[in-house]
Amino acid sequence: GAGVSQSPSNKVTEKGKDVELRCDPISGHTALYWYRQSLGQGLEFLIYFQGNSAPDKSGLPSDRFSAERTGGSVSTLTIQRTQQEDSAVYLCASSLTAAGAGADEQFFGPGTRLTVL
Amino acid sequence: RKEVEQDPGPFNVPEGATVAFNCTYSNSASQSFFWYRQDCRKEPKLLMSVYSSGNEDGRFTAQLNRASQYISLLIRDSKLSDSATYLCVVNGVGNQFYFGTGTSLTVIP
Repeated sequence: GAGVSQSPSNKVTEKGKDVELRCDPISGHTALYWYRQSLGQGLEFLIYFQGNSAPDKSGLPSDRFSAERTGGSVSTLTIQRTQQEDSAVYLCASSLTAAGAGADEQFFGPGTRLTVL
Repeated sequence: RKEVEQDPGPFNVPEGATVAFNCTYSNSASQSFFWYRQDCRKEPKLLMSVYSSGNEDGRFTAQLNRASQYISLLIRDSKLSDSATYLCVVNGVGNQFYFGTGTSLTVIP
């Protein structure tokens, strides 16, 4: 079956512009995560959605970052007034259920490589 | 202190060698542990979950030591195709998963 898809695969933007990154999770997966990975660094948690519950936004680095998940499926990560330090690969992952005991495997999308000039 | 710490390596080993990676975690309440593999410029993919009693999948063995708060990954009979970055993943407070920065492995012919 189809895996997690993300678009665009690459995005080059100018400092100060807004960008939107899209994630299509695996059908039926209730949990959706956004991470970012800078060159040579580990994955940094950004935000988590579980079903219809309020998202866990504790990882968002600033109020320029926001995300939504419509209809419990597709998610959009928006970065306003982009800065050069926002340049990274933004990865989306989905899993069947939530984190915690017996947490399920996360399936990652191919990522969006964002470059802010 | 970081939630998850790994030796970044790099580990350069010959084909057929046995290599082991360790990862320490700071939250004693963590309950879910995983090893992911990430190839260069690719997304992470699950290698194996880590269970309390330890578990094996072919050439790969994972162990969990709750008392010392570390997990390990042992790779036997290394293959060239094992060359990748191995990420230790631990669940933390709330809904977060914490990823280590990864251990780089290169298997040399």
